[in-house]
Amino acid sequence: NAGVTQTPKFRILKIGQSMTLQCAQDMNHNYMYWYRQDPGMGLKLIYYSVGAGITDKGEVPNGYNVSRSTTEDFPLRLELAAPSQTSVYFCASSSPDRSTNEKLFFGSGTQLSVL
Amino acid sequence: GQSLEQPSEVTAVEGAIVQMNCTYQTSGFYGLSWYQQHDGGAPTFLSYNALDGLEETGRFSSFLSRSDSYGYLLLQELQMKDSASYFCAVSDNQGGKLIFGQGTELSVKP
Repeated sequence: NAGVTQTPKFRILKIGQSMTLQCAQDMNHNYMYWYRQDPGMGLKLIYYSVGAGITDKGEVPNGYNVSRSTTEDFPLRLELAAPSQTSVYFCASSSPDRSTNEKLFFGSGTQLSVL
Repeated sequence: GQSLEQPSEVTAVEGAIVQMNCTYQTSGFYGLSWYQQHDGGAPTFLSYNALDGLEETGRFSSFLSRSDSYGYLLLQELQMKDSASYFCAVSDNQGGKLIFGQGTELSVKP
């Protein structure tokens, strides 16, 4: 199993450009998440989803959009990139089973720079 | 809302025992999780406490006191490879919405 796959691994954007960060999981997990991590800091929740067709805002949703058309995929869209969005982005997934839904499986991350 | 507090840094020597604390404030509470992150890597799950008490997994133990809104991660027989950042995390009453603390950076010295 591949687990959680994120693409691309690195990206440089110019201010005002748009892009989509891709995330796919093959574990049949209902729950999926997007976090950002600034240098030396913790993970901030951007958006999360508890199943296909259902998404909700996290701690820092401004400037981002998500969709969840399938169980496997959870793309994150940046519409108008700003320098404040320079960060490492992690996608994660977990099972909805109450005993395990706090065990998140993370992708390897996307390092994004906005210049 | 939710907030979590962790000490920013801890230093310990190889072979020793170290405890990393986490205090939290949440509107609802399901449990406390711990994650490890090596420099430049993805976080990996270590443990989860839903009930008061100690959970042990090998050299790692995690403790929770719901009445004190407090938990800690205990690492025994420290090894150099344990040098990493350790994050506590809580979910709110919606479940599945996991919020992380700022993390404790552990440095293990020879």
